[in-house]
Amino acid sequence: KAGVTQTPRYLIKTRGQQVTLSCSPISGHRSVSWYQQTPGQGLQFLFEYFSETQRNKGNFPGRFSGRQFSNSRSEMNVSTLELGDSALYLCASSLEPGTAQETQYFGPGTRLLVL
Amino acid sequence: AQSVTQLGSHVSVSEGALVLLRCNYSSSVPPYLFWYVQYPNQGLQLLLKYTSAATLVKGINGFEAEFKKSETSFHLTKPSAHMSDAAEYFCAVSGSGGSYIPTFGRGTSLIVHP
Repeated sequence: KAGVTQTPRYLIKTRGQQVTLSCSPISGHRSVSWYQQTPGQGLQFLFEYFSETQRNKGNFPGRFSGRQFSNSRSEMNVSTLELGDSALYLCASSLEPGTAQETQYFGPGTRLLVL
Repeated sequence: AQSVTQLGSHVSVSEGALVLLRCNYSSSVPPYLFWYVQYPNQGLQLLLKYTSAATLVKGINGFEAEFKKSETSFHLTKPSAHMSDAAEYFCAVSGSGGSYIPTFGRGTSLIVHP
């Protein structure tokens, strides 16, 4: 079974631009979560989607948004990029949503560099 | 609220030596605890998880962790380090406040010397 895939793997943008990242979960997984990973802040939760609905949201500004499609694929968008948005963006999928013991399976991430 | 503290941002061991990575958690309810490993330029991979079935949890690659409620700890150990164990290790907790979204620690970088 294929793992979580994320595209693109690397991205370079300039301040003020917007960016869209894509995530395809493991087949059969319906919950997709997004995280931002930086050396200074570690892993921070962005949001989680299930059945095309955002169920949880972390403490990020409205410039960060996402959506989920009927096939469970998810995209996240960052508008008006800032230098501080440079990070590794990780997507994770899980099989049984809403259970604390559920394991999240992570993709390789998209490394975004904002110049 | 839930939180995780990983003691030591870097741990250095010699190949063949014991690996001990420390994790302390805070949770208002019996927690679910996880250890993940991240190799360079890769995502996180689950090493093991505690779900109250047994306090000593065995994971992949020879790692294990012991849940100690009295110490609110979930330290990760491996008897003999390999060069291939060099990576970033993250401890995570979930379940508190009705939240199933895990909270991750800041990570510990394991350095293995030949």
